[in-house]
Amino acid sequence: QVQLQESGPGLVKPSQTLSLTCTVSGDSISSSSFYWTWIRQPAGKGLEYIGRIYTSGTTNYNPSLKSRLTISLDTSENQFSLKLSSVTAADTAIYYCARYSVILAGYDDWGQGTLVTVSS
Amino acid sequence: DFQMTQSPSSLSASVGDRVTITCRASQSISSYLNWYQQKPGKAPKLLIYVASNLQSGVPSRFSGSGSGTDFSLIISSLQPEDFATYYCQQSYTTPYTFGQGTKLEI
Repeated sequence: QVQLQESGPGLVKPSQTLSLTCTVSGDSISSSSFYWTWIRQPAGKGLEYIGRIYTSGTTNYNPSLKSRLTISLDTSENQFSLKLSSVTAADTAIYYCARYSVILAGYDDWGQGTLVTVSS
Repeated sequence: DFQMTQSPSSLSASVGDRVTITCRASQSISSYLNWYQQKPGKAPKLLIYVASNLQSGVPSRFSGSGSGTDFSLIISSLQPEDFATYYCQQSYTTPYTFGQGTKLEI
């Protein structure tokens, strides 16, 4: 049974960089069957695709965030990470890491989510 | 981006009711449409993938249909644990986009 767990600071100052890590257990992040994805959800609002990374290191970013976003992979630790620079209050949200199954064409496993607040 | 529009935004229903939630895509997405259930404080859970396929472990009272731009999620007989928010999501092209959600209330 795969498990995903987000970790990182819960409070980030405006203009700084938001950094989160997703640790995957029960599955290899090197699997060719999945994309490893970040999704966020502002309080009381809907879900927004942030971006994803494949085992090859190929990334795909939401164009609305692309200029500020880096997603990377650490196969030795079975983790993938998110860095979002120059944050503002609009980046305050619950951040989820999720596994996108190529076979199902959907997100079949999710982390529990972590709240990141941007505030001075 | 492909826009996904769900209706209704909220819905009041009772245990045992049959409920239909619809999702419309701004352009054709073939059958690349998924449905998720989210309960308060929890991550979304995949219910239906590729429009009509029931995810493993999901009760058979959930079903999905549609193709192109118009899709539906049907709950045949509401159970108490089904009261939640439901989201559609297209996986036809990135950025994969979600509907705004339908809150199902008692």
